[in-house]
Amino acid sequence: GNSVTQMEGPVTLSEEAFLTINCTYTATGYPSLFWYVQYPGEGLQLLLKATKADDKGSNKGFEATYRKETTSFHLEKGSVQVSDSAVYFCALADSNYQLIWGAGTKLIIKP
Amino acid sequence: EAGVAQSPRYKIIEKRQSVAFWCNPISGHATLYWYQQILGQGPKLLIQFQNNGVVDDSQLPKDRFSAERLKGVDSTLKIQPAKLEDSAVYLCASSFTSYEQYFGPGTRLTVT
Repeated sequence: GNSVTQMEGPVTLSEEAFLTINCTYTATGYPSLFWYVQYPGEGLQLLLKATKADDKGSNKGFEATYRKETTSFHLEKGSVQVSDSAVYFCALADSNYQLIWGAGTKLIIKP
Repeated sequence: EAGVAQSPRYKIIEKRQSVAFWCNPISGHATLYWYQQILGQGPKLLIQFQNNGVVDDSQLPKDRFSAERLKGVDSTLKIQPAKLEDSAVYLCASSFTSYEQYFGPGTRLTVT
């Protein structure tokens, strides 16, 4: 069946550091892929998405590229800020319009 | 464009009591989802509606949970009776025709 695996947290970085959060998936076909972010005390927000192989999703300085050959969708940002501290979820959409979620990665940015 | 609305934002009840959550999706969104998110975990889908019909409720504990979506717009999720393990955040999401889901702020339920 479909599944999403993302790196365990927490990930702790200093401000302006480079960020990578790994995400790999198992799925039949070519699902759409998403990164959602959840700030403390808030609901989930769509951060970026990619709908086909080699697509690059980007938003707020974050990027992720849909890699079919490695079944990956790693999240990257060149210079993180304290305000990026949140929990990040990788997810894929199956054919029933349902999202299959990773377990989430907590990101802590220290000033 | 108004987002997904949920109420209440917080609820504290004792075990064996009942509770209901309300969700108003984004206007025009035919698909509505209810999720349960336990602290430190990803969301777990409880039920998916398409208009006012149920698409998937395979993970809904039907002995105590129920949900309805009258007229294909607003939805309510009810728990009766509540157990300690139901303590979680209950998220509502809606979508139009794409796979992109828009989430409400959630209702944090504490069962004591």
